[in-house]
Amino acid sequence: AQSVTQPDIHITVSEGASLELRCNYSYGATPYLFWYVQSPGQGLQLLLKYFSGDTLVQGIKGFEAEFKRSQSSFNLRKPSVHWSDAAEYFCAVGARGSQGNLIFGKGTKLSVKP
Amino acid sequence: DTAVSQTPKYLVTQMGNDKSIKCEQNLGHDTMYWYKQDSKKFLKIMFSYNNKELIINETVPNRFSPKSPDKAHLNLHINSLELGDSAVYFCASSQDGGINEQFFGPGTRLTVL
Repeated sequence: AQSVTQPDIHITVSEGASLELRCNYSYGATPYLFWYVQSPGQGLQLLLKYFSGDTLVQGIKGFEAEFKRSQSSFNLRKPSVHWSDAAEYFCAVGARGSQGNLIFGKGTKLSVKP
Repeated sequence: DTAVSQTPKYLVTQMGNDKSIKCEQNLGHDTMYWYKQDSKKFLKIMFSYNNKELIINETVPNRFSPKSPDKAHLNLHINSLELGDSAVYFCASSQDGGINEQFFGPGTRLTVL
């Protein structure tokens, strides 16, 4: 079955520290992978996406993610977290021909300590 | 210049009522979606429309009926509201129905009492 797992429900990091949010997927076809961020009371904003090519992708706000096919993972990273990064982060997977049907993980809530 | 807008932002109603949520996008996209986010933040697709044609219809009670008068609008009508319908409903759009980036609206928080 197609699924996305975000093992960490809640992560707290200190401002300025590095961050890695984990995402594992199970998908029958070649996956297209996304990371979205949801600030409180807001809709989802795309941080970055991977379709093909270079497995390390850069996104907005200083985020990057690395696609590792052998591990079925697409972890999100940021070298230095800012207080404004506190939000909910969602990993999603889709595929060509899926007609836009994205499967989302359950999200990881990021808290940032001053 | 809002890309994807939804109205209302909050909706509080009684069980058994019928309500609608409206969505409009000004991005010129061909495909629009409705998602439901439950109290645990789990986000699941409900419907998608491509050029006013229903493409995805996940397992959703038939009390939920999407309507797309044109490709810039996708409204969600819900009949006989139940307590379990309480959630945040997000509209989204993308350029064609492929796997392009989906742009999300701000959400409508529906509370059924």
